[in-house]
Amino acid sequence: AQSVTQLDSHVSVSEGTPVLLRCNYSSSYSPSLFWYVQHPNKGLQLLLKYTSAATLVKGINGFEAEFKKSETSFHLTKPSAHMSDAAEYFCVVSVTDSWGKFQFGAGTQVVVTP
Amino acid sequence: GAGVSQSPSNKVTEKGKDVELRCDPISGHTALYWYRQSLGQGLEFLIYFQGNSAPDKSGLPSDRFSAERTGGSVSTLTIQRTQQEDSAVYLCASSTPGQGYNEQFFGPGTRLTVL
Repeated sequence: AQSVTQLDSHVSVSEGTPVLLRCNYSSSYSPSLFWYVQHPNKGLQLLLKYTSAATLVKGINGFEAEFKKSETSFHLTKPSAHMSDAAEYFCVVSVTDSWGKFQFGAGTQVVVTP
Repeated sequence: GAGVSQSPSNKVTEKGKDVELRCDPISGHTALYWYRQSLGQGLEFLIYFQGNSAPDKSGLPSDRFSAERTGGSVSTLTIQRTQQEDSAVYLCASSTPGQGYNEQFFGPGTRLTVL
């Protein structure tokens, strides 16, 4: 079985400062990991994914995440927050060799202040 | 191109009524998934379709919930005798053949309110 824990339910950052969203996973098999973003009243959009290639993954809108197997982590970062980054972020794990069952984290709500 | 679409976008119903929620996946996507997003419960998996068959329906919360998919395309999620705890946003997603490494593309959801 796999599971994912997002360590912060809420993160507040100032515009222009770095963003760090923490995610730890548990998986008995080779995991695929994803970060999705959900803006208010909008659907989920993929930011980036890790599928056993490069451990540092670059995504859209300046986000990136690093897969660290030894720490079972997949933290999401962005060097400089923008007001438009205010949203809810979900870390997701699935088993690479399975049919694609997603296990979602509880989500991290990001607030960006001017 | 067109993304995943869902209808209706909002549904208000009375307790005890049946509701049908519809999902149109991206053309050519053979895998289709239903999820439920509710406050305090996060995002829960409900059912997975590959083509018209459902190899995994383990997330359906009760026998009041059922889903079907026809023609390898449109899917309908039916909730019978709705209860207030069924109030949530129901999300549909699709992907190229279901594989753990494949991105799932999500629709905008149907917000169900049971009075």
